[in-house]
Amino acid sequence: DVKVTQSSRYLVKRTGEKVFLECVQDMDHENMFWYRQDPGLGLRLIYFSYDVKMKEKGDIPEGYSVSREKKERFSLILESASTNQTSMYLCASTDRGPGYTFGSGTRLTVV
Amino acid sequence: QKEVEQDPGPLSVPEGAIVSLNCTYSNSAFQYFMWYRQYSRKGPELLMYTYSSGNKEDGRFTAQVDKSSKYISLFIRDSQPSDSATYLCAMSVTGFQKLVFGTGTRLLVSP
Repeated sequence: DVKVTQSSRYLVKRTGEKVFLECVQDMDHENMFWYRQDPGLGLRLIYFSYDVKMKEKGDIPEGYSVSREKKERFSLILESASTNQTSMYLCASTDRGPGYTFGSGTRLTVV
Repeated sequence: QKEVEQDPGPLSVPEGAIVSLNCTYSNSAFQYFMWYRQYSRKGPELLMYTYSSGNKEDGRFTAQVDKSSKYISLFIRDSQPSDSATYLCAMSVTGFQKLVFGTGTRLLVSP
């Protein structure tokens, strides 16, 4: 089974901090995604990457950046954390088949 | 108007009931339709996917797609307390990029 591992389950950060969320997948998938999930809004795509060093903006990229230096690792960076970035962050990956494999999520609280 | 609409629930049923979960969508270009199940504090997991219109059955689960009505359904027969979770529909134009998710329906199955 494909495994997508997110480095932290819970994080608490202060406003203005630079925050790194890490995601690693172990099945050589080309495509990786970062979503945030909020009550009533569902999952919203922040960024995705279809190859090493390639990235594309999703629907809500403002305030975020990403890095994909190796195929298995996709990092989400909050340049200057703000309270409205308090959310559940979900990483996912897929090859060319339908459907994603998700990690367990990182619940980030910005205070 | 959102691209994908899903009733948030909660939907409460007794054990053994038949459950019907539904989504409507507006983008006629969608061709891949998926259902994810998400337990509390976990990432979503892919339950089923269908391509284009028609039905697909997997054990107690049946997925239906009606492209003419832009309406998809997931039926759960003989529902169990372990089915209690949030169910998200998702769809895409291609098979593997940029899924668009519904907001999820919370299902509660009582013993």
